[in-house]
Amino acid sequence: GQQVMQIPQYQHVQEGEDFTTYCNSSTTLSNIQWYKQRPGGHPVFLIQLVKSGEVKKQKRLTFQFGEAKKNSSLHITATQTTDVGTYFCALGGSNDYKLSFGAGTTVTVRA
Amino acid sequence: NAGVTQTPKFQVLKTGQSMTLQCAQDMNHEYMSWYRQDPGMGLRLIHYSVGAGITDQGEVPNGYNVSRSTTEDFPLRLLSAAPSQTSVYFCASSYYGGAAGELFFGEGSRLTVL
Repeated sequence: GQQVMQIPQYQHVQEGEDFTTYCNSSTTLSNIQWYKQRPGGHPVFLIQLVKSGEVKKQKRLTFQFGEAKKNSSLHITATQTTDVGTYFCALGGSNDYKLSFGAGTTVTVRA
Repeated sequence: NAGVTQTPKFQVLKTGQSMTLQCAQDMNHEYMSWYRQDPGMGLRLIHYSVGAGITDQGEVPNGYNVSRSTTEDFPLRLLSAAPSQTSVYFCASSYYGGAAGELFFGEGSRLTVL
């Protein structure tokens, strides 16, 4: 399958601070998706990026797709306790039916 | 509209036993898939289906069987459970292929094999 690296694996953030998690692929991607999984829950779709250099925002979350379509980032500003969970990137390659997930970045927030 | 429903939520098996994890969706999605989630490894694709009667292997298919007789249902069978199959299993469905659109996940089935 596709090689996908997500860093960091863990992110401990002070409430109110910003942080960024990164997703890197060894191959050029057709698209990338981001999911969030709350502790004890199931993954929930956040967004899909398709175009090279694409930037999308959802309130305090900013998603970016790299120019070469090999990497992506998720930036969260003014972290809140509701941001706790694991954020996964998921890669779509040449096969539209296989979505490969990264290992995730687990976020904890200090109040 | 229940979305994706998985049963059971929890199951304990002994090595060598067989069981079926059930998955049903009421969104008329053609695409369905099974993932397993292990600590530090993200979600790994086991099998997927692009429609009734059509299934294919994912990343980690060994030890698992699937079938798709209807659009709604996509059961996952463990023929002879092994401790390495202890995991959380998620069923997911989508309007399009898994990489072409949003995946809707069930709540998961936690399996322990002793």
